[in-house]
Amino acid sequence: QSVLTQPPSVSGAPGQRVTISCTGSSSNIGAGYDVHWYQQLPGTAPKLLIYGNSNRPSGVPDRFSGSKSGTSASLAITGLQAEDEADYYCQSYDSSLSVLFGGGTKLTVL
Amino acid sequence: QITLKESGPTLVKPTQTLTLTCTFSGFSLSTSGVGVGWIRQPPGKALEWLALIYWNDDKRYSPSLKSRLTITKDTSKNQVVLTMTNMDPVDTATYYCAHRDRVTDFGPWGQGTLVTVSS
Repeated sequence: QSVLTQPPSVSGAPGQRVTISCTGSSSNIGAGYDVHWYQQLPGTAPKLLIYGNSNRPSGVPDRFSGSKSGTSASLAITGLQAEDEADYYCQSYDSSLSVLFGGGTKLTVL
Repeated sequence: QITLKESGPTLVKPTQTLTLTCTFSGFSLSTSGVGVGWIRQPPGKALEWLALIYWNDDKRYSPSLKSRLTITKDTSKNQVVLTMTNMDPVDTATYYCAHRDRVTDFGPWGQGTLVTVSS
């Protein structure tokens, strides 16, 4: 059971907008630690998608955006494309500086 | 360009000790703020953080696995080594190492290495 809670799955049709939530607590996200998001395409290593709550590394399309509020964070994907079908993970820290990963969300493009 | 690659045995027996090496290029582990982490992923399951070592030799371990893990670095060889004792079949997973900095956190990642624990 992950300390950071994500929905196991989300889905959307091409062109639609989907959001993935990441819920923590006052001892991790709510304590001010940044949230980062990773995309894992089938059979590949995870790739940094969003860092520092809302920043995109170079090369990541602006269809991907992140936000954080209180004890939660969200990843939004607009203009959904077939190539976005992947597993998505949020990550943060707790007060002992242990790394926390969410349980992952499988995105299905219908 | 930063690259990382994991190496080690693909098969270990229960109770044995696993030793994995992460060999990297494109950055120095003596640069302030930089670290290398280990993360694993059992087949079909979620990512699980294991350990993290920083440029100043500060080390962090997963609380649930701390008693079994040791992480070390060799700055001159650009390598980070993770050892995990008393391996069990539930430790079967793909093991990844990843570059970490204080801004972007974990990225990039190595390709991963699948370790199977079986007698």
